[in-house]
Amino acid sequence: GDSVTQMEGPVTLSEEAFLTINCTYTATGYPSLFWYVQYPGEGLQLLLKATKADDKGSNKGFEATYRKETTSFHLEKGSVQVSDSAVYFCALRHTDKLIFGTGTRLQVFP
Amino acid sequence: GAGVSQSPSNKVTEKGKDVELRCDPISGHTALYWYRQSLGQGLEFLIYFQGNSAPDKSGLPSDRFSAERTGGSVSTLTIQRTQQEDSAVYLCASTTRQETQYFGPGTRLLVL
Repeated sequence: GDSVTQMEGPVTLSEEAFLTINCTYTATGYPSLFWYVQYPGEGLQLLLKATKADDKGSNKGFEATYRKETTSFHLEKGSVQVSDSAVYFCALRHTDKLIFGTGTRLQVFP
Repeated sequence: GAGVSQSPSNKVTEKGKDVELRCDPISGHTALYWYRQSLGQGLEFLIYFQGNSAPDKSGLPSDRFSAERTGGSVSTLTIQRTQQEDSAVYLCASTTRQETQYFGPGTRLLVL
């Protein structure tokens, strides 16, 4: 069945460091891919998405490119801030359900 | 504008009791989803309502779990005879036929 695998956390970085959170997926066909973010004490929010191969989703300085050949959708940011500290979830949508990875906690220190 | 709301925000119950969790989706959203977020296990799909179609119950972990959606709007997730392994955050999301799901803040359930 469809599944999403993302790197385990926590990821601990200093402010202004480069961030990569790896995400790979297994799915039949061509799912849409998403990154959701959960800030402390808040609900899940859509961060970015890509609906077809080679699409790049971007938002708030974060980017992820839909790589069909490697079945990946890695999340990157060039310079993280303390306010980026949150849990990040990679997800795919095939038919009508979202299938999530287990989440990666990011902690950014000043 | 109002987002997805859920109540209660926290629920503590004793093993064996029944609980009801409520979700108010965004007005006009035809699809409603329930997910469970367990510690260390990410988000797990439970059930999906789309308009007047029969719900997709494929994610419900046991027959102790059920959900209704009345009038195409508010939904209630019921867990009967709760067990300690039911402790989790229960998340509701709604959407139109577009792909973005909007999530509520969740109900944190603790079964003692």
